[in-house]
Amino acid sequence: AQSVTQLDSHVSVSEGTPVLLRCNYSSSYSPSLFWYVQHPNKGLQLLLKYTSAATLVKGINGFEAEFKKSETSFHLTKPSAHMSDAAEYFCVVSVTGGGNKLTFGTGTQLKVEL
Amino acid sequence: NAGVTQTPKFQVLKTGQSMTLQCAQDMNHEYMSWYRQDPGMGLRLIHYSVGAGITDQGEVPNGYNVSRSTTEDFPLRLLSAAPSQTSVYFCASRMGESQPQHFGDGTRLSIL
Repeated sequence: AQSVTQLDSHVSVSEGTPVLLRCNYSSSYSPSLFWYVQHPNKGLQLLLKYTSAATLVKGINGFEAEFKKSETSFHLTKPSAHMSDAAEYFCVVSVTGGGNKLTFGTGTQLKVEL
Repeated sequence: NAGVTQTPKFQVLKTGQSMTLQCAQDMNHEYMSWYRQDPGMGLRLIHYSVGAGITDQGEVPNGYNVSRSTTEDFPLRLLSAAPSQTSVYFCASRMGESQPQHFGDGTRLSIL
């Protein structure tokens, strides 16, 4: 079985300050992990993915995430927030042998203030 | 690049009506899925397919049917709409297990 926990349902930052969105996962097998972003009334867009290569993964729009097996975490970070980053972010896990089943976290709403 | 196309974008139904949400992808992906998104619950898997002619149930399959007669198309059928099925529905496709999903723009469905 696999599961994902996004530790914060809402995060608020000031423009220009760092962003940290936290994700812990549980998986019996080696996972693939993804972060998606969803802007209002839009579909989900892939930010980045981890698939057992480098543990520090760089994505689009300046985001990156680090896979830490010992902590079962895959936190999303960005050095400097921009107003356009305001959106909902989802952490997702998929396991080899799991067929086409992905498990989504419940989402973190990021607010960016001036 | 069309990607994953969902139709319609919006729909209002009365309780007991049936309808089909359409999903088509042009990326030759074997894996396709249907999700529903409700506030505070993330995305929940309704049904999925790993190839033409193969479908399986996800986390919340009751009240929905799917079929996969071609690689490109994966329609979702609501048999007898209920207010609890009011939600935003997303179709997604991907190449394989370790690959990311590509999502459509969603169908916003209201059941009165």
